[in-house]
Amino acid sequence: AQSVTQPDIHITVSEGASLELRCNYSYGATPYLFWYVQSPGQGLQLLLKYFSGDTLVQGIKGFEAEFKRSQSSFNLRKPSVHWSDAAEYFCAVGAPGGATNKLIFGTGTLLAVQP
Amino acid sequence: SQTIHQWPATLVQPVGSPLSLECTVEGTSNPNLYWYRQAAGRGLQLLFYSVGIGQISSEVPQNLSASRPQDRQFILSSKKLLLSDSGFYLCAWSVEFRRYYGYTFGSGTRLTVV
Repeated sequence: AQSVTQPDIHITVSEGASLELRCNYSYGATPYLFWYVQSPGQGLQLLLKYFSGDTLVQGIKGFEAEFKRSQSSFNLRKPSVHWSDAAEYFCAVGAPGGATNKLIFGTGTLLAVQP
Repeated sequence: SQTIHQWPATLVQPVGSPLSLECTVEGTSNPNLYWYRQAAGRGLQLLFYSVGIGQISSEVPQNLSASRPQDRQFILSSKKLLLSDSGFYLCAWSVEFRRYYGYTFGSGTRLTVV
């Protein structure tokens, strides 16, 4: 069964600084990988996804993520953080094929942005 | 366009009372539907999923149940709430990964059991 680990529970960065949120997955083959963002009290919004092909994927709001098979990682990056990026970020993994399309989520990383 | 509605937004219920949370999807047919619970510091836990009317799969044993009486309606229920049922409940739908690129989430229900 697939699983996801987000080792950083809470991260604080200064506005304008670069950001990297870590995500490691466990799955026997190449999974589908996603990053979602959640503002307080809201549902989740898809930032980006990886299915196959180019291992560097671009998403909304200036985010990107890189799939590294050798490290079983899918880290989220942004070169310059804005105060509005403060939110909780979730990495998720899904198994290709099948009818259920279940997603398994990590425990999330809460991002705080300092002025 | 596809939309997902989830209600109520917030709910405060006493221990031992029943629960009914509803989720409906518009603009698509035969979606996969999911209920997740989010507890503080524990991420999103998949509770139930459904691939069709009347088809419910439970991911974890618990005090809750789910039903899908119509194609685009998904209901989360409990006969008697426990304190541990408190949390943020999210409904989501998907069609096929590659075509739709993952899930669309509702705005969630904050349940507090007192």
